[in-house]
Amino acid sequence: AQSVTQLGSHVSVSEGALVLLRCNYSSSVPPYLFWYVQYPNQGLQLLLKYTSAATLVKGINGFEAEFKKSETSFHLTKPSAHMSDAAEYFCAVSTSGGYNKLIFGAGTRLAVHP
Amino acid sequence: DTGVSQNPRHKITKRGQNVTFRCDPISEHNRLYWYRQTLGQGPEFLTYFQNEAQLEKSRLLSDRFSAERPKGSFSTLEIQRTEQGDSAMYLCASSPPTEKNTEAFFGQGTRLTVV
Repeated sequence: AQSVTQLGSHVSVSEGALVLLRCNYSSSVPPYLFWYVQYPNQGLQLLLKYTSAATLVKGINGFEAEFKKSETSFHLTKPSAHMSDAAEYFCAVSTSGGYNKLIFGAGTRLAVHP
Repeated sequence: DTGVSQNPRHKITKRGQNVTFRCDPISEHNRLYWYRQTLGQGPEFLTYFQNEAQLEKSRLLSDRFSAERPKGSFSTLEIQRTEQGDSAMYLCASSPPTEKNTEAFFGQGTRLTVV
């Protein structure tokens, strides 16, 4: 069975500071990993995805994530936080089988203060 | 707008009533998914359609829940005899017909409140 653990339900950073959101996964098969962002009362928007190509994945809005098999991690980073980054972030793992049933973590709420 | 469309965006209903939500996926996306998201949690998978065939149902989908995709285009999710525990955001997503894992595109969700 696959699962995702997001460490830290709330993260607070200053504007301009490094953003680091942690995600660890469990999977018995090579995983496909995703980070989604959700703004209040909105659906989910894809930030980036890992699909077994490059281990360092760059996404939208300056975010990137590194797949580390040895650590079963897929942490999300951004060098400099912006006020508009304040949102809920979800890490997800996709099951094998050719379709995209996603298993989500519980989410991390990012707050950015001036 | 060519994204995933969900209607209604908000629904308030009394306990015991039936409700139905609609999802229109991105055109030519043959895969459609329903998820449920409760406050402070990540989305949980409910069911999956490939074209009109419902290929997987979660144990979360009790007998009171039914989903259809009659012509392989839009989908409906019906909840019968609603309970307060059904209050949640119901998210629909779609993805294209490809063998490679690609991202699912989400709609804005339908927020259900059962009073």
